[in-house]
Amino acid sequence: SQTIHQWPATLVQPVGSPLSLECTVEGTSNPNLYWYRQAAGRGLQLLFYSVGIGQISSEVPQNLSASRPQDRQFILSSKKLLLSDSGFYLCAWSIRRGGGSYNEQFFGPGTRLTVL
Amino acid sequence: SQQGEEDPQALSIQEGENATMNCSYKTSINNLQWYRQNSGRGLVHLILIRSNEREKHSGRLRVTLDTSKKSSSLLITASRAADTASYFCATAYRMNTGFQKLVFGTGTRLLVSP
Repeated sequence: SQTIHQWPATLVQPVGSPLSLECTVEGTSNPNLYWYRQAAGRGLQLLFYSVGIGQISSEVPQNLSASRPQDRQFILSSKKLLLSDSGFYLCAWSIRRGGGSYNEQFFGPGTRLTVL
Repeated sequence: SQQGEEDPQALSIQEGENATMNCSYKTSINNLQWYRQNSGRGLVHLILIRSNEREKHSGRLRVTLDTSKKSSSLLITASRAADTASYFCATAYRMNTGFQKLVFGTGTRLLVSP
């Protein structure tokens, strides 16, 4: 069966520090991968998606970047965190079938990031 | 914004009662999905309804879709305390690149009291 892991689960970082959040998927190949951010009490905002190794698309201009060094690994990074980067970050995957999120997405447990 | 809107924002009911949540969206969609999120956790997919479908059932869940009104509803029958969670609708759109992405609504917080 497929599983998706995210770490760390929680993170407290000072403003201006770097960030690296990791997401890995097991039990599937060639997935579409996604990074979302959820502000407190709000819906999810799509940050990045990837349809393959090295292929990253950004949805909103921001202080963050993403990379996909391996088929089932997705990394969210920042060189210098801002206060506004605080939030709940969720990684997700879906089966790649001719056009993206045509199917359901499967979410990881999330990382709660607090920037002080 | 393409974001969907759920209604109500919060719903409080007793165990055994039915819970109905509504979702409205703005543009043409490929499909609409409902997800559940327990506090501080990731989202869990509940049900997907395609644009050419009008109703779908899964256990105690019933979803309807009215593309002419650009709206959907999620009905949970015979609710249980364990159904307490936030429920999100998500609409699938085709982007210019051909990639389809999900756009999530703001969610309904459901509280089921024993």
